[in-house]
Amino acid sequence: KNQVEQSPQSLIILEGKNCTLQCNYTVSPFSNLRWYKQDTGRGPVSLTIMTFSENTKSNGRYTATLDADTKQSSLHITASQLSDSASYICVVSPYNTNAGKSTFGDGTTLTVKP
Amino acid sequence: GAVVSQHPSWVICKSGTSVKIECRSLDFQATTMFWYRQFPKQSLMLMATSNEGSKATYEQGVEKDKFLINHASLTLSTLTVTSAHPEDSSFYICSARSDMGDTQYFGPGTRLTVL
Repeated sequence: KNQVEQSPQSLIILEGKNCTLQCNYTVSPFSNLRWYKQDTGRGPVSLTIMTFSENTKSNGRYTATLDADTKQSSLHITASQLSDSASYICVVSPYNTNAGKSTFGDGTTLTVKP
Repeated sequence: GAVVSQHPSWVICKSGTSVKIECRSLDFQATTMFWYRQFPKQSLMLMATSNEGSKATYEQGVEKDKFLINHASLTLSTLTVTSAHPEDSSFYICSARSDMGDTQYFGPGTRLTVL
C-alpha cells in the first residue's frame, strides 16, 4: 500500500530560525514528489516538484531534498517568517499518473512566532 | 503560473438543498480534475477524479449520487452536493492537472456550511 508519512506533525519555531520538515514514502514505482504549502482556509500552493533524478530543488527560502534510494524527502525553510505559518503537505505520485492516485501526507503544521 | 479558481468561495445553505461548486482552470486546459474534501485539521481526502467527457471515478465510500460531478469542458468541472446535510459541511477543494505535466494546481477551496 502506498503511504506517505510526514514528521513532525506540528512544529513551533521563532521568527528568523530555520526548520526542516520530513517526508518518508513507500510509493513505488515513483514519478515525482511535491511539497505544497496550505494556509488556513485556502487551497494548497505548490512549492517544489522533484523527479527521480533530482536531489535538491530550491524556491526562495524553501529547499527540498530527495533521496530516492531511501525514499525520503525534506523541506528546509530558511530564516522563517510569520507568513510561513501554514500546513506543509508532501504529495507523491506513482510512475503511471493516468490513474491520478497521488498519495498525500497528513501534513506538518508549522507555527512561526515573533 | 497556472491558476485554478473556485466559485463560490463559501456558501451557507439549509439542510435538504443542493449546492453546486465550480472549478475552472483559467489559463490551461485540464483533461483531469480532482475533487477533495478536507475537515478541520485533517489532510485532503480525494473524493473523485473527473476526466473531460467521461464519467467521474469515485473513491470508495463516496456516494456518486450525492456528489454529482460534471466535467463538461477542458476548463470546467462542477461538483453538486445534492440534498445537503450538516455532516456535508466541509472545505471542498478542486485541483486540475494539465496535459503538459504531472503537477496538480489547486483551487482556493469552497467552505460549505449546511445548517
